[in-house]
Amino acid sequence: EPEVTQTPSHQVTQMGQEVILRCVPISNHLYFYWYRQILGQKVEFLVSFYNNEISEKSEIFDDQFSVERPDGSNFTLKIRSTKLEDSAMYFCASSGMTGVGQPQHFGDGTRLSIL
Amino acid sequence: KNQVEQSPQSLIILEGKNCTLQCNYTVSPFSNLRWYKQDTGRGPVSLTIMTFSENTKSNGRYTATLDADTKQSSLHITASQLSDSASYICVVSSSDYKLSFGAGTTVTVRA
Repeated sequence: EPEVTQTPSHQVTQMGQEVILRCVPISNHLYFYWYRQILGQKVEFLVSFYNNEISEKSEIFDDQFSVERPDGSNFTLKIRSTKLEDSAMYFCASSGMTGVGQPQHFGDGTRLSIL
Repeated sequence: KNQVEQSPQSLIILEGKNCTLQCNYTVSPFSNLRWYKQDTGRGPVSLTIMTFSENTKSNGRYTATLDADTKQSSLHITASQLSDSASYICVVSSSDYKLSFGAGTTVTVRA
């Protein structure tokens, strides 16, 4: 069964540095998402992406964050000037032809640790 | 503010027994309700999706119910197995794209 893959599985970065989290969605999917889960807390929606633009974003997704689909297969989340509170598990997800009622398929996440 | 509340926070059951997890939500507008299973260290995996007009949906030993009038859902696990040990997350969608997650119920199945 096709899977969403995320790299790296664990990223350790110094505070203030920039990080790029990478995702390869399922190949025929058109809708892409990023979520984060701070340790011990709920999964939180960050952003959705369709047709090379952001469809919807949460209040968490401020100017510190950006997303890109640089080459038609990868989907990246960039976090600039990282802060300690950015430490979390970041999940990428994708869904099929239409968003309505379609299951989102999640990757296994990247654990981001900011020191 | 959109909220999804789950109960209990955790439960322990013996292998072979049944259990029911609860979800209450205040998400509006409502598009659909999903149950996900999340194993430790893994991403969530979709179990069921229900729209407004559906009040029950099954996936193997998992049966979800939805009462859109009272804004409640349940997930029933039948004949539990050790592999059912995981966090079960209720997720409510208010649009095609945006999901609101509950905190999850941690289920531990013991032999």
